[in-house]
Amino acid sequence: DAGVTQSPTHLIKTRGQQVTLRCSPKSGHDTVSWYQQALGQGPQFIFQYYEEEERQRGNFPDRFSGHQFPNYSSELNVNALLLGDSALYLCASSTTDRLFTDTQYFGPGTRLTVL
Amino acid sequence: AQSVAQPEDQVNVAEGNPLTVKCTYSVSGNPYLFWYVQYPNRGLQFLLKYITGDNLVKGSYGFEAEFNKSQTSFHLKKPSALVSDSALYFCAVARRALTFGSGTRLQVQP
Repeated sequence: DAGVTQSPTHLIKTRGQQVTLRCSPKSGHDTVSWYQQALGQGPQFIFQYYEEEERQRGNFPDRFSGHQFPNYSSELNVNALLLGDSALYLCASSTTDRLFTDTQYFGPGTRLTVL
Repeated sequence: AQSVAQPEDQVNVAEGNPLTVKCTYSVSGNPYLFWYVQYPNRGLQFLLKYITGDNLVKGSYGFEAEFNKSQTSFHLKKPSALVSDSALYFCAVARRALTFGSGTRLQVQP
């Protein structure tokens, strides 16, 4: 059973560019959440997608957007990249649970470096 | 607003000794609490969670955690540490969103 997969593993962009990160959830999961983990910090919740819609959102600007496809996979898009967007971006999948009580399983992450 | 505090940046323990990684939380309503572990350049691996029921929760790799409502704590414990337990540990509280602490680095010396 494949776990959560993410691509690419690493990415280098320059300020002002746009980036798209991809995530495939664990088999049987229909909910995808995205987190940003800056160096030396805990992950911070960006948003969660269920039934192809954004269901919850953390304190991130509109430059961060996402999408969920009918097969439950998801994309995270970041526009107008800033140096401060450099981080490990983690995708987590779970079954439907509005209170986040169901266990979220994380992918290995995408390391984004903005120069 | 919900929050988690991990007061220790690093915990050092000798192999074979018991270990404790501390976590306190703040949330309105019933707390849903999680522990995750992160190895270098890797994603987070789930260890255990408390939703309701027994205050002592048993999880993966011999870890357990004790929920204490009066002290708003959810400390992670293991009776006998292994060198391979050395990693970064995160406590998290769930209530509409999963909020993580800043992490505690566990170093187990041989």
